[in-house]
Amino acid sequence: IAGITQAPTSQILAAGRRMTLRCTQDMRHNAMYWYRQDLGLGLRLIHYSNTAGTTGKGEVPDGYSVSRANTDDFPLTLASAVPSQTSVYFCASSDERGRGTGELFFGEGSRLTVL
Amino acid sequence: GQNIDQPTEMTATEGAIVQINCTYQTSGFNGLFWYQQHAGEAPTFLSYNVLDGLEEKGRFSSFLSRSKGYSYLLLKELQMKDSASYLCAAMDSNYQLIWGAGTKLIIKP
Repeated sequence: IAGITQAPTSQILAAGRRMTLRCTQDMRHNAMYWYRQDLGLGLRLIHYSNTAGTTGKGEVPDGYSVSRANTDDFPLTLASAVPSQTSVYFCASSDERGRGTGELFFGEGSRLTVL
Repeated sequence: GQNIDQPTEMTATEGAIVQINCTYQTSGFNGLFWYQQHAGEAPTFLSYNVLDGLEEKGRFSSFLSRSKGYSYLLLKELQMKDSASYLCAAMDSNYQLIWGAGTKLIIKP
């Protein structure tokens, strides 16, 4: 069982380019999340989805968009990348958002550098 | 505002005990999580506390005091593989996780 798979694992991107980070889970979890992790800061939530067909904005949504066409996939798109979006991006899932004991399962991360 | 504070870095000796503290301020409270993150890897779940007291799980224990907005993670019989960052996260009334910046734990032989 793979759990959560992210692609690409690493990417260097020119500013202004469009980029989609892919995320797929095989645990049939309802809730999925995208976080960014920057040195010296805690994980920051970009967007989330409670269930297929719904999405919501997190703490730092500007410049990013997501879709949730089915249970398994939750891609994150940067429409026009800027250097401040250089970060490590983690996709995560949980059985149900809001269930207190619902631990998060994380993908291995996508390291994105915008030049 | 909502805030999580934990030390940036700690050093301990193999075989010893270390306690990593975390204080939190959130709008409402629905539990406190600890995650472990090795360098270059994804965070993995360690513990969840929602009631006051100590939860023990093998070499790791986690404590919560809701009245003090305080938690700690206790690691016993430290091993070299415990060298990692330990992330504290509190869940607010909207079930959003507020994350600390993490404590980098360095284990020396």
